[in-house]
Amino acid sequence: QSVLTQPPSVSAAPGQKVTVSCSGSTSDIGSNYVSWYQHLPGTAPKLLIYDNDKRPSGIPDRFSGSKSGTSATLGITGLQTGDEADYYCGTRDSSLSGGYVFGTGTKVTVL
Amino acid sequence: HITLKESGPTLVKPTQTLTLTCTFSGFSLRASGVGVGWIRQPPGKALEWLALISWDDDKSYSPSLNSRLTITKDTSKNQVVLTMTNMDPVDTGTYYCVHHSLGLGEFFDYWGRGTLVTVSS
Repeated sequence: QSVLTQPPSVSAAPGQKVTVSCSGSTSDIGSNYVSWYQHLPGTAPKLLIYDNDKRPSGIPDRFSGSKSGTSATLGITGLQTGDEADYYCGTRDSSLSGGYVFGTGTKVTVL
Repeated sequence: HITLKESGPTLVKPTQTLTLTCTFSGFSLRASGVGVGWIRQPPGKALEWLALISWDDDKSYSPSLNSRLTITKDTSKNQVVLTMTNMDPVDTGTYYCVHHSLGLGEFFDYWGRGTLVTVSS
């Protein structure tokens, strides 16, 4: 089963912008829609983005998602200290093995 | 208002079988397109999808754990049960019950708080 590749960490100062990449293959990201999850320490993960670029109700528009080919990107603008968390991408795996796959996770640090 | 809550043992011995129960409210597993799944996170590691059961009783499992997992539902009790056989210390982690939704794609839009399971003799 494939695993999606994310950078281990990204960082920026408050108010700045960060992007988190998620790299996959033709059988996962290339064939399916991507979602993104925010995991704050000690809490349950939260859905941030679904269907590549849609935000659930209550998620501020500082968070955005995009997809191109076999990669996806999460963007966070106007970075706040409360955004410091782990972020995961996820999608269906349409290969023979099947299932749902998550990314390796990215720690976003607010400097 | 959708909620999910995991319950089960916090400590299991190697080779034992783990049984986790997810009790949910705010939706019905009889509704078309709805599913409940399990996701885990070993300490310091990434999320790992384990299993999913859909409203029509369709079941899917992680390919790497397929032989050890069983997921079932009891719609009358609003519960989903996951069993994992032959537990090993590497199975230690937080296990989350999740609500699975379908849009254009599929995603997990509601999560339980998780339950920490430790595998140790």
